[in-house]
Amino acid sequence: DVKVTQSSRYLVKRTGEKVFLECVQDMDHENMFWYRQDPGLGLRLIYFSYDVKMKEKGDIPEGYSVSREKKERFSLILESASTNQTSMYLCASRELNQPQHFGDGTRLSIL
Amino acid sequence: QQQVKQSPQSLIVQKGGIPIINCAYENTAFDYFPWYQQFPGKGPALLIAIRPDVSEKKEGRFTISFNKSAKQFSLHIMDSQPGDSATYFCAASSREGGGNKLTFGTGTQLKVEL
Repeated sequence: DVKVTQSSRYLVKRTGEKVFLECVQDMDHENMFWYRQDPGLGLRLIYFSYDVKMKEKGDIPEGYSVSREKKERFSLILESASTNQTSMYLCASRELNQPQHFGDGTRLSIL
Repeated sequence: QQQVKQSPQSLIVQKGGIPIINCAYENTAFDYFPWYQQFPGKGPALLIAIRPDVSEKKEGRFTISFNKSAKQFSLHIMDSQPGDSATYFCAASSREGGGNKLTFGTGTQLKVEL
């Protein structure tokens, strides 16, 4: 079974802090994704990566950056956290032409 | 701009009923339509998926109906059970860009009552 692990289930940070969300997958997948999930808005793609050190912007990249130094790890970075970034963040990975597998999410609160 | 519109937002049915969740899309390049099921505290998990070369796909109690001309697809859950209570998301993607980008609907909270 594919396992996508997000390092924190809950995280509370302060406005202006630099925040790192970590995601690790154990199946040597090429593609990895970061989404945010908000009530009434569904899942929205922030960034995705199709290989080590490669990344592409999703639909809502503003205020975020990503890092993929190793194939199994994909990090989401909030450069200067703001209250409107309070959300559930979901990481996913997949092999080419296969379904995406999701982690259980990180619920991030920015105070 | 919501490219995949999902309805209803929430749904309550009795055990054994057949909840139906509908989605409509605009982008004619979409060629892969998965449904995801999400339980509280968990990430979404793929439930069933369809490509536009067929009009219906069944897996167990779950059926996708697809209408290419109307650009609509729906999920039917036969003989629904309390354990089916979850949030359901439809999604769509195209082969453009390697099919990497999934566009999700806004989700439907389903509750199946005894």
